[in-house]
Amino acid sequence: GAGVSQSPSNKVTEKGKDVELRCDPISGHTALYWYRQSLGQGLEFLIYFQGNSAPDKSGLPSDRFSAERTGGSVSTLTIQRTQQEDSAVYLCASSLEGRGPLGGELFFGEGSRLTVL
Amino acid sequence: GQQLNQSPQSMFIQEGEDVSMNCTSSSIFNTWLWYKQDPGEGPVLLIALYKAGELTSNGRLTAQFGITRKDSFLNISASIPSDVGIYFCAGQFPYAYSGAGSYQLTFGKGTKLSVIP
Repeated sequence: GAGVSQSPSNKVTEKGKDVELRCDPISGHTALYWYRQSLGQGLEFLIYFQGNSAPDKSGLPSDRFSAERTGGSVSTLTIQRTQQEDSAVYLCASSLEGRGPLGGELFFGEGSRLTVL
Repeated sequence: GQQLNQSPQSMFIQEGEDVSMNCTSSSIFNTWLWYKQDPGEGPVLLIALYKAGELTSNGRLTAQFGITRKDSFLNISASIPSDVGIYFCAGQFPYAYSGAGSYQLTFGKGTKLSVIP
């Protein structure tokens, strides 16, 4: 597709369940980011992938959160044993490269809205 | 962690009025970006600034990269109803703050703009 694609667009789950969120970046974009947006808040950085380099996981809030990027393209964000405070919109973004002038021009998907009951 | 202070948090203006919002940081940035987020959508890049003092326009939008590299403003002239949304500033630091050498953006908390027809 032409843009960043995320699925599911909405996910309602029970506390304690695991969830997987998927991101398909723009073709040719080597950098991929996950952000979390809580109600009325800005975007909180979670994790960053750049090519074959080790991902920057410095933003992951706990060890219940993990992400992988297979084949340098599609990424999956996994939240284990979900808690109510995990409820948020999870945004994926990609860019041509992770640094330099073009690295900041992130293209975002529409997000996956997670609700933990 | 690094923080961006974005103000105002929200604005209610009459159609046709000009709008101004700004962001400040305690640290310098090498890139400032302004994004707009419509309801249910991911943020979309409006303007990117790469040099201190740079003033860039995109239609009715004008943004400047502060000379100290610690602030930026966004102006919208002659507002129209479709300007409604949340505007985010974002900055990219010149140095990596994690071992992985990532260049993730730090986002402000957003300015919610409402335009009264």
